[in-house]
Amino acid sequence: KQEVTQIPAALSVPEGENLVLNCSFTDSAIYNLQWFRQDPGKGLTSLLLIQSSQREQTSGRLNASLDKSSGRSTLYIAASQPGDSATYLCAVNPSGSARQLTFGSGTQLTVLP
Amino acid sequence: DAGVIQSPRHEVTEMGQEVTLRCKPISGHDYLFWYRQTMMRGLELLIYFNNNVPIDDSGMPEDRFSAKMPNASFSTLKIQPSEPRDSAVYFCASSKGQDTQYFGPGTRLTVL
Repeated sequence: KQEVTQIPAALSVPEGENLVLNCSFTDSAIYNLQWFRQDPGKGLTSLLLIQSSQREQTSGRLNASLDKSSGRSTLYIAASQPGDSATYLCAVNPSGSARQLTFGSGTQLTVLP
Repeated sequence: DAGVIQSPRHEVTEMGQEVTLRCKPISGHDYLFWYRQTMMRGLELLIYFNNNVPIDDSGMPEDRFSAKMPNASFSTLKIQPSEPRDSAVYFCASSKGQDTQYFGPGTRLTVL
């Protein structure tokens, strides 16, 4: 059974700092991996999707990397802003016919002005 | 596109009552997912549909939960009878194949 772990559970940084969020998964047989953002009381917003054949994806100040063999992904946020404060979740989509995402428990990020 | 639409946004009911949550997926998406989020267990997949057919309902906690998708633009999740431990935020999501899943705003359910 796939297990997804995110470390740290919470992170507080001053504005302007670059930061890295970590995600690890136990089963490397994945189709893709997604990073989501969740604001308090809101739904999930997809940030980046990395296919299993890719090493990284970039969107603006966000860069996500994937090392399938070691079961790791990182989300890099450059020049953090208070508006980046949210919970960040990674989710793994299995290979094969199954389609269900397995989510990590998230990293709660606070960017201090 | 309006995105995934869920209703109601908030539901407060008493134990033993029937609860029906509704979802309209994004047009053209062939997969629909129902998730439940709690502080204790995080995000859990309850059931998902492909082309309106239930594919995997192994996450449905018990027989009190049922889900239907009568057509490509509508799905329901029903709890009957509801219990306090069902209190959670229920999300609906849709996708085209294994591409990005788009989530609705969720329904916050409180069972007293």
